[in-house]
Amino acid sequence: EAGVVQSPRYKIIEKKQPVAFWCNPISGHNTLYWYLQNLGQGPELLIRYENEEAVDDSQLPKDRFSAERLKGVDSTLKIQPAELGDSAVYLCASRGPNTGELFFGEGSRLTVL
Amino acid sequence: QKEVEQDPGPLSVPEGAIVSLNCTYSNSAFQYFMWYRQYSRKGPELLMYTYSSGNKEDGRFTAQVDKSSKYISLFIRDSQPSDSATYLCAMTYTGTASKLTFGTGTRLQVTL
Repeated sequence: EAGVVQSPRYKIIEKKQPVAFWCNPISGHNTLYWYLQNLGQGPELLIRYENEEAVDDSQLPKDRFSAERLKGVDSTLKIQPAELGDSAVYLCASRGPNTGELFFGEGSRLTVL
Repeated sequence: QKEVEQDPGPLSVPEGAIVSLNCTYSNSAFQYFMWYRQYSRKGPELLMYTYSSGNKEDGRFTAQVDKSSKYISLFIRDSQPSDSATYLCAMTYTGTASKLTFGTGTRLQVTL
């Protein structure tokens, strides 16, 4: 069974440029998460989807970040414009029904110059 | 003060040693407790999942939860170089992990 797939793995951009990250969750997993992980820190939730509905986006900086999960499968996280402080790893995770286990992707590492 | 506190390490131990990793937390509403392992440049993977107070054992790993002290531990017996990773504690109010709160992670190095 394929795990959570994220792309790109690495992205280097200049500040004020836009960037997008893509996530394909495990098949059948209705719940999808985007987490932010700064260096030396634990992951912090940005947004959680139940199917195509964003049910918790309270930690998403909506002035520059946006996310979508069309058709309740793949998801895209966008930053526009990127700032130096956005340099971090963006992790996608998914969870199946009736389980507490999250499965994480390998992350997308963003460097903003 | 963070809801979950975890010593970032690094913690260096010789192969075969018993490792003790710990987290403290402030929110008594947390009911479910997890330990994740994260290798360098990889995503976290779930190691142990426990509910409320008590112990849970899985192979060389034992998770302990003491809700009265708001303290959780992960013990690794007979540590191996392949155990070298960052260990993250995480906790949540509900069993569906709707919102996990993570510790900062402890970096462990097991040397030959």
